[in-house]
Amino acid sequence: SQQGEEDPQALSIQEGENATMNCSYKTSINNLQWYRQNSGRGLVHLILIRSNEREKHSGRLRVTLDTSKKSSSLLITASRAADTASYFCATESGAGSYQLTFGKGTKLSVIP
Amino acid sequence: ETGVTQSPTHLIKTRGQQVTLRCSSQSGHNTVSWYQQALGQGPQFIFQYYREEENGRGNFPPRFSGLQFPNYSSELNVNALELDDSALYLCASSQGLAGAPDTQYFGPGTRLTVL
Repeated sequence: SQQGEEDPQALSIQEGENATMNCSYKTSINNLQWYRQNSGRGLVHLILIRSNEREKHSGRLRVTLDTSKKSSSLLITASRAADTASYFCATESGAGSYQLTFGKGTKLSVIP
Repeated sequence: ETGVTQSPTHLIKTRGQQVTLRCSSQSGHNTVSWYQQALGQGPQFIFQYYREEENGRGNFPPRFSGLQFPNYSSELNVNALELDDSALYLCASSQGLAGAPDTQYFGPGTRLTVL
């Protein structure tokens, strides 16, 4: 079953604009991670935010986490054509097994 | 490149057959997780192996089974294939550090088509 739900399902922007994707989840979590997937291939880990953190930055990426609303957002600033991909949030909430529960993803298209 | 490799890249089978997918984990990683990703969906957790023992299982029937070897590589076996088993199968390796958030590094996946 899917834990997270990303919003929007698809997003199309011009190169240089910012892209914001949102993720909501249902149960309490230990951490939340964002992954990128190009054309149905393997997932690339982008950033991990722990449940006691509210904001994290990595290069052009900014992630926020609001555990009271069970939601997270991923902001990509100054987007590039190479950012075109599907983006997934994944939550880790169990003790010990570190299994990730993914949402359905947001498909981002950056138009040159 | 994550250092996680999977074989084969593509596979076509017919309903009722059995399939074995393979994964080599990244150097230094002792934990391997397997995920199934249907078209247009997010990955779903199948199971995880830590130091050759199953360490968590998702909502998949027993015909999905696995192994982890002493070198921490892993196999996913699926018996009695069904049409709905058609998907991208992803393997992820991690360090499995107790008490620490565990970043998982994914391989490129095996695309399985069941006819």
